[in-house]
Amino acid sequence: KNQVEQSPQSLIILEGKNCTLQCNYTVSPFSNLRWYKQDTGRGPVSLTIMTFSENTKSNGRYTATLDADTKQSSLHITASQLSDSASYICVVSALSSASKIIFGSGTRLSIRP
Amino acid sequence: NAGVTQTPKFQVLKTGQSMTLQCAQDMNHNSMYWYRQDPGMGLRLIYYSASEGTTDKGEVPNGYNVSRLNKREFSLRLESAAPSQTSVYFCASSGLINQPQHFGDGTRLSIL
Repeated sequence: KNQVEQSPQSLIILEGKNCTLQCNYTVSPFSNLRWYKQDTGRGPVSLTIMTFSENTKSNGRYTATLDADTKQSSLHITASQLSDSASYICVVSALSSASKIIFGSGTRLSIRP
Repeated sequence: NAGVTQTPKFQVLKTGQSMTLQCAQDMNHNSMYWYRQDPGMGLRLIYYSASEGTTDKGEVPNGYNVSRLNKREFSLRLESAAPSQTSVYFCASSGLINQPQHFGDGTRLSIL
């Protein structure tokens, strides 16, 4: 069964600290992995997308890594800011099929001043 | 700079009532999607349209119908609303099926 599991479910850190969010998946055949940020009351916004051949991609203070062998990804946030408070969703896509775009349930990140 | 626009933003219905959720995108995207988001769960695909003139079922299509009116617009219809359909509904679009999706800000629907 195609699944995407994220950990932790929620996380609280102090402003300025770094954090790492985890994503494990069993989606096959793998096409790409995306990280989205979802602010409260808004739709998800794409942060990064990685294909099989990419093992790291950055977007400002966000760095995503991918290990296709172990089927794991992480999202590292550096020097967190209050605006980073949001849910972060890992999404894994199988080859060319909308019905095989699998969303994780997200990690709820809260940044405290 | 609208992107994906959903209407309405909020709606309360009684069981058995019908309604249509509207979605429009201005990015000239081929593919459009409808998802529902429930607490503690990932987004689940209801229906999608890979291109104008086509629609296909997703993971949870029961109780819903869709219409791809033209390349810009993709509507979702609840014919006879049930309390189990209380959720936040998101419309999304992408250039092609496997490209990053752009989401609207959702319609919060409550069925009493």
